[in-house]
Parts: sequence; structure tokens; C-alpha cells
Amino acid sequence: AQSVTQLGSHVSVSEGALVLLRCNYSSSVPPYLFWYVQYPNQGLQLLLKYTTGATLVKGINGFEAEFKKSETSFHLTKPSAHMSDAAEYFCAVSDRVDSSYKLIFGSGTRLLVRP
Amino acid sequence: NAGVTQTPKFRILKIGQSMTLQCTQDMNHNYMYWYRQDPGMGLKLIYYSVGAGITDKGEVPNGYNVSRSTTEDFPLRLELAAPSQTSVYFCASSLGLAGFNEQFFGPGTRLTVL
Repeated sequence: AQSVTQLGSHVSVSEGALVLLRCNYSSSVPPYLFWYVQYPNQGLQLLLKYTTGATLVKGINGFEAEFKKSETSFHLTKPSAHMSDAAEYFCAVSDRVDSSYKLIFGSGTRLLVRP
Repeated sequence: NAGVTQTPKFRILKIGQSMTLQCTQDMNHNYMYWYRQDPGMGLKLIYYSVGAGITDKGEVPNGYNVSRSTTEDFPLRLELAAPSQTSVYFCASSLGLAGFNEQFFGPGTRLTVL
């Protein structure tokens, strides 16, 4: 079964600094990969996803992530943090369970943006 | 479109009480899910449904029940509430399989069992 590891439960950056949120998954078989964002008191919403093809995926709000098969990683980046980026970010990977596919979520990384 | 709506937003239960968390989606999605979110633990799948009349267990189904009589509604029933069920509950829906398609989430229900 797949597992997802997000390094760092909290990441703090200054406004305008690079954002790097790390995600590693366990399977050697390339899965579908997702990043979701959760703003305070809201449900999750999709930032971006990787299915096949180009390994650099662009999402909403200036975020992007790169699928690296050799490192089993799917790290999320943004060149310049904005105060509105403060939220919790979840990496998720598809996994075949019995006869269906499910999403397996990481434990989340809370991004704090300092003025 | 309202997307995915959940009621109530907050609820406090006493040990042993029962309640139903409501979830409705207006996107005509076949797939619907219930997750619980505990601090520092990410989301765990409780139950899911691939269409009206079809439900199946997820990772943490014990203590919960679901039904899916219509495409739009997917209520989650808690019987005999326990403190371990204190959590934030999210309902989600998707057009196709969760592993390949975007899931749309409701705003959540924060449940406390005392």
C-alpha cells in the first residue's frame, strides 16, 4: 500500500521568499499525485495534480510541483510567498485498494508567512 | 452551484448519543466520500460511495454507517458516540475515481464528543 510523507509539519517563510514543501511517496510504480490546500475553516481544494507526461506541473496561485520518479518525490514550490498563501497543504497519492482506487493523504504541512 | 454542502458546522455530543452528519452535492457526481481529519494525521477515509445504492468501507469505518439513496445526498450516521470520534468530518465528491480525479470538499463539520 502507498504511503505519503510530508517533511515538516510547520514551515515558516518571509513574505517574498521561496516556498518549498516536501512530499515523498512510497511506491516504485508512478502513481497519480496531488497537492491540496486548506485555508482556515474551509474544506480542501485542489492546487495541482500529476497524471502522466510533463513532470513539472503548474497549479493555481503560482504554485508548481515536479514529479521526480528516481527520488519518489513531488515537492511543491512557489518562487515568492504571499501572505494569502498561509494555509495547510496536503500531498496525496492514488493507491489501488481492493478493486478500486483511493487517495492516500499525507499528514499536512502548515505554511506560515511572516510579514 | 453550491458545490458540496455539509450540516451542521459544529456539534457537541455526549458519550452514547447518536447523530447524522448531512452532505449534499449539486454537481451530479457519482462518487462521494466521508473523511475524518485529526490534528497532525491528515485525512482518513471512513466510507465512500460509487453511486446511489452502493457504499463501501474505507480505512476507519468502525462506529459509523452511511446510506446513499440519491445521487445528491450521502449522510454519515454516528451511533453511540465515543470521545475517539471527536474530529473534523469532511464530505467530498468527484466525477470519477478518487485516485484520478479532483475531489471537491465541503466546509466540514467539527464534532466534539464529551
